Amino acid sequence: NAGVTQTPKFQVLKTGQSMTLQCAQDMNHNSMYWYRQDPGMGLRLIYYSASEGTTDKGEVPNGYNVSRLNKREFSLRLESAAPSQTSVYFCASSARDRDTEAFFGQGTRLTVV
Amino acid sequence: KNEVEQSPQNLTAQEGEFITINCSYSVGISALHWLQQHPGGGIVSLFMLSSGKKKHGRLIATINIQEKHSSLHITASHPRDSAVYICAVRPTAYFGNEKLTFGTGTRLTIIP
Repeated sequence: NAGVTQTPKFQVLKTGQSMTLQCAQDMNHNSMYWYRQDPGMGLRLIYYSASEGTTDKGEVPNGYNVSRLNKREFSLRLESAAPSQTSVYFCASSARDRDTEAFFGQGTRLTVV
Repeated sequence: KNEVEQSPQNLTAQEGEFITINCSYSVGISALHWLQQHPGGGIVSLFMLSSGKKKHGRLIATINIQEKHSSLHITASHPRDSAVYICAVRPTAYFGNEKLTFGTGTRLTIIP
């Protein structure tokens, strides 16, 4: 049981390049999330998906797009990377229920130069 | 002022000491999470609380809804407990975890 798997673990991009962060969960969760973690700040929600086929903006969605490919997979795309997007990105999932834990991936450390 | 404040920001202690990490929040909540993040690693959920107290091994989490305060305690601390501990709250009336608000974390270092 792998839980939440995200790839890649590390990535360096040049300004203007694009990339997609992949996330998959095997817990049959309806809800999936993308967060970014920056020094001195709490995790901030970029986008979330409450169910397959639906996505919603979080607190910091600018410069990102997402795709909920199916119930298992939720990808995050940077179309034109900027140095301000240098961060650690976490994917998470949870059951669609009030009283439920969230399960996180191992994180992707992205540097944009 | 952040909605979720943790204290201390950094904590260094000797192996075996009793550890307390505090979390205060300013909004009405329906649940509070304690998370653990090891250096260079992922984030693991330790507890989810809506009232009272929970215990897993050497870890104890308590919450006082009226005072808007939660504590995470570690008994008989060990170097492997060294990590960042993060508090997150879900505001009242929100459904699911998409509205979690996170504290900035407490970095704990346990010295052998």
